[in-house]
Amino acid sequence: EADIYQTPRYLVIGTGKKITLECSQTMGHDKMYWYQQDPGMELHLIHYSYGVNSTEKGDLSSESTVSRIRTEHFPLTLESARPSHTSQYLCASSRPGAGGMGAFFGQGTRLTVV
Amino acid sequence: GNSVTQMEGPVTLSEEAFLTINCTYTATGYPSLFWYVQYPGEGLQLLLKATKADDKGSNKGFEATYRKETTSFHLEKGSVQVSDSAVYFCARINAGNMLTFGGGTRLMVKP
Repeated sequence: EADIYQTPRYLVIGTGKKITLECSQTMGHDKMYWYQQDPGMELHLIHYSYGVNSTEKGDLSSESTVSRIRTEHFPLTLESARPSHTSQYLCASSRPGAGGMGAFFGQGTRLTVV
Repeated sequence: GNSVTQMEGPVTLSEEAFLTINCTYTATGYPSLFWYVQYPGEGLQLLLKATKADDKGSNKGFEATYRKETTSFHLEKGSVQVSDSAVYFCARINAGNMLTFGGGTRLMVKP
């Protein structure tokens, strides 16, 4: 069992609201990731972090921001939600140099902006 | 570049049928390869992996063999069950130690 948790699981929110999606892991992993999954299932890396105080943009441009103040915590924030942000957001973590181990994923947050 | 290509779905099978989901990758060197599964409403779970050429990953009756000569990592299962209905993602590690995913293949198994 992977010890990585996302909250909330489901969120319906109005346009213009600020939201934060939470992601926590108890495995002590340095690397953490946020993926956005569109309805066609494809996964797009939007943010990642190598460790505390490290944040990087992923392959897909996103209006969201992330922070990494603690190893175990990697929240994602949307300052002003829009319907185009409606998607599934998946958080993941891995150990550095753990190419052979892959990554562990949370259960995801399904966000709907109305 | 570093990319993963997998067959488009949906794949619809009857229970106990044989499953193959094709996956090919582009690579420099010998990246670790993975299959992840996503059940409805859930995140991704690692299904199996292979870290070097000719390795066979296996789990829950699924198998995939790392074929360097054809740069492939096809997923197979001899007899699928309704509970195998899910989306399957092939993935590889790239030079930056990041996972690169294929587009996903939805499998639907009918009783």
